[in-house]
Amino acid sequence: GQNIDQPTEMTATEGAIVQINCTYQTSGFNGLFWYQQHAGEAPTFLSYNVLDGLEEKGRFSSFLSRSKGYSYLLLKELQMKDSASYLCAVTEGSYQLIWGAGTKLIIKP
Amino acid sequence: IAGITQAPTSQILAAGRRMTLRCTQDMRHNAMYWYRQDLGLGLRLIHYSNTAGTTGKGEVPDGYSVSRANTDDFPLTLASAVPSQTSVYFCASSPGQGGVETQYFGPGTRLLVL
Repeated sequence: GQNIDQPTEMTATEGAIVQINCTYQTSGFNGLFWYQQHAGEAPTFLSYNVLDGLEEKGRFSSFLSRSKGYSYLLLKELQMKDSASYLCAVTEGSYQLIWGAGTKLIIKP
Repeated sequence: IAGITQAPTSQILAAGRRMTLRCTQDMRHNAMYWYRQDLGLGLRLIHYSNTAGTTGKGEVPDGYSVSRANTDDFPLTLASAVPSQTSVYFCASSPGQGGVETQYFGPGTRLLVL
């Protein structure tokens, strides 16, 4: 079976850096997605990792270690608009996505 | 229309009633999906369609049915609603070219079954 774990909630300060972790156990891993979801809105795509290492995209970076079943999303120079839930999702053999419950990130001034 | 639209935005439904949630995309994507999102749980796949004319069951299909008569539309029907179907329902699509793809989501339908 598949299992994805993320912290339920995190708090950080505006301008700071925060790292949101995701661990997974799945068969037939094909890649890992991070999505952002503001309250009351739809999830939107942030990043996709299929190879080990760090993918940087502006203030957001995502890291993957396939051997450890581990990923993190790194958010730099936090802004109030970054307050949202961050969803980790992994693909498995059928190419469908298995979703974590999400991490609610609260940014304080 | 740009992207994916869903209707209605929200609905209060009496238990036992039949309800169809509508989903339309204009991106000519082959693959479409229906998820439900409940507090404390990840998005759970209800049904999916890899291409027009085909559908498949996801993780939580019981009590729901879908059809895919054409590329653009993917309606989800609750034949006889029950309170446990209270949830936020998201429709999503992806190009459907094969392999791993980014999914794009509609704005969601908030359903309350009483």
